Amino acid sequence: DTGVSQNPRHKITKRGQNVTFRCDPISEHNRLYWYRQTLGQGPEFLTYFQNEAQLEKSRLLSDRFSAERPKGSFSTLEIQRTEQGDSAMYLCASSFGQETDTQYFGPGTRLTVL
Amino acid sequence: GIQVEQSPPDLILQEGANSTLRCNFSDSVNNLQWFHQNPWGQLINLFYIPSGTKQNGRLSATTVATERYSLLYISSSQTTDSGVYFCAVDRMDSSYKLIFGSGTRLLVRP
Repeated sequence: DTGVSQNPRHKITKRGQNVTFRCDPISEHNRLYWYRQTLGQGPEFLTYFQNEAQLEKSRLLSDRFSAERPKGSFSTLEIQRTEQGDSAMYLCASSFGQETDTQYFGPGTRLTVL
Repeated sequence: GIQVEQSPPDLILQEGANSTLRCNFSDSVNNLQWFHQNPWGQLINLFYIPSGTKQNGRLSATTVATERYSLLYISSSQTTDSGVYFCAVDRMDSSYKLIFGSGTRLLVRP
């Protein structure tokens, strides 16, 4: 069990640029989740996948955000035309997909938009 | 939506002291997890505890689902226990997203 991995760990970009983050879940985990955490707050849900299907999206996920999970394995989160308000820690989690199960989190990608 | 409230917001302890962190939630839940976020931002699973009591070393947790609260006990605290402790729940409506409280920031002094 190698845990959830995320890349890059840090990203600094200029306003208006596009960025893409990757999450590799624990192998055999069917569900994959994205959360966002700003300074001093708890993580907030963005979206989740059951295998390759994106089943729920938060209202926080504006049309500049898109997430994919091709083939039900790794996932990518893309932010287009970044804004300073997008600066945050982006966390990925995965779980087996049972009715009641535990979510395991990756180390996160810290995004800074200048 | 469901509300998750954690108390106290901040806690300073001397090494060796015991503490109790509380999590109140406003609706029935399917899942309740306690996490420790270390200074590097990693969320570390402590307990999956939608009901009942569990213990793991110096840590234990109790959830009373009928009264909608959970408690995390830390005994004989160590400086490495410092960080932020989060409680997170998901609702009993087939939505698997976790709703987090705002956390308890713990500092353990040597």
